[in-house]
Amino acid sequence: GAGVSQSPSNKVTEKGKDVELRCDPISGHTALYWYRQSLGQGLEFLIYFQGNSAPDKSGLPSDRFSAERTGGSVSTLTIQRTQQEDSAVYLCASSLRGPATMNTEAFFGQGTRLTVV
Amino acid sequence: DAKTTQPPSMDCAEGRAANLPCNHSTISGNEYVYWYRQIHSQGPQYIIHGLKNNETNEMASLIITEDRKSSTLILPHATLRDTAVYYCIVRGRTGGFKTIFGAGTRLFVKA
Repeated sequence: GAGVSQSPSNKVTEKGKDVELRCDPISGHTALYWYRQSLGQGLEFLIYFQGNSAPDKSGLPSDRFSAERTGGSVSTLTIQRTQQEDSAVYLCASSLRGPATMNTEAFFGQGTRLTVV
Repeated sequence: DAKTTQPPSMDCAEGRAANLPCNHSTISGNEYVYWYRQIHSQGPQYIIHGLKNNETNEMASLIITEDRKSSTLILPHATLRDTAVYYCIVRGRTGGFKTIFGAGTRLFVKA
């Protein structure tokens, strides 16, 4: 596609339920990032995928959060046993090349607004 | 990655230049300065980036001081649609865009 696509755009879930958020990066982009943005706050890095390398999970806030990237393309962020503090906008970004190449901007999707009630 | 400091908010009159400052005093020699903006309810949008030299594109100009410890993003003729949160980040060689985006500067362009 022309840009990074995320689905759903909005998700309301009950506390304790599991949710899956999807990110479809720009075709050919080898790097994919997930961020979380709470209301009025900056972006918080969650996880980073680069090609076939093991993902950098250093930003995941707890073991309830996990993500996978199948076939080097689509990624799914899963939150198990959701809590109210998980409510936020979850943003995905992709870039053409990985961290060793400096001159590469990241392109962001529109995000998924998750509300845990 | 080096941390950045930005004012929380700024106002600008429509049609005038908006000058958004960013301090990155701990920047290292191989780190680039990137600017993104986020319009309400949208994902961040890339604006411009630079290493040492001043840069200009169709959206903005980036002025980096000689010691690279600060930079200024310039929107030459701000419009109401430029009202957004502007993020200045410094990107290191490792970790890609792992850098945390701070709170940024909320720019209000007023008619």
